[in-house]
Amino acid sequence: AQTVTQSQPEMSVQEAETVTLSCTYDTSENNYYLFWYKQPPSRQMILVIRQEAYKQQNATENRFSVNFQKAAKSFSLKISDSQLGDTAMYFCAFMKRGGSEKLVFGKGTKLTVNP
Amino acid sequence: GAGVSQTPSNKVTEKGKYVELRCDPISGHTALYWYRQSLGQGPEFLIYFQGTGAADDSGLPNDRFFAVRPEGSVSTLKIQRTERGDSAVYLCASSLRGLNTEAFFGQGTRLTVV
Repeated sequence: AQTVTQSQPEMSVQEAETVTLSCTYDTSENNYYLFWYKQPPSRQMILVIRQEAYKQQNATENRFSVNFQKAAKSFSLKISDSQLGDTAMYFCAFMKRGGSEKLVFGKGTKLTVNP
Repeated sequence: GAGVSQTPSNKVTEKGKYVELRCDPISGHTALYWYRQSLGQGPEFLIYFQGTGAADDSGLPNDRFFAVRPEGSVSTLKIQRTERGDSAVYLCASSLRGLNTEAFFGQGTRLTVV
């Protein structure tokens, strides 16, 4: 079974600064995806960024980028130029390709961006 | 619709009662998932539908939980004899499995059992 660990229950950052959220996972699979989801108070999970395990290049989406270390099973999220709207819960998730392709989530990190 | 729709948004029920939670996925999405998110936790997988059939129900906690998707679109999660421990946010997601791995989520139903 796969597990996802987020070791930072809460983090805070000043507006316009950079913050990194940590995530580690455990799996014996080779073909999988990793995701970061944002959950604002509205409860809707919003995809922030996705990484395919077979791709060595780290994914980037505007101000969001990841540091994917496959051998270390580490998948951190870097948010640059933090904005007040980035305040939310952030969840790291693992998905094995094939089968049900269900998501396995970590417990989340509550990020607060301060003005 | 434009997104995944879940109704009701909030549901309060008494212990022992039966509840139904509805999910209306994005039109054309063949894959549909239910997750349960307890307070302070990440979502946990309950059940996966591919079309009309439940292809993976390994996450259902016990036989009080059941879900259907009779026409391959709308799904209903049914909970019998509710217990206080069932209180959580129930999230639904849909995707175009095999073509796009992104799952689109609804805003969930917050179930409170009193």
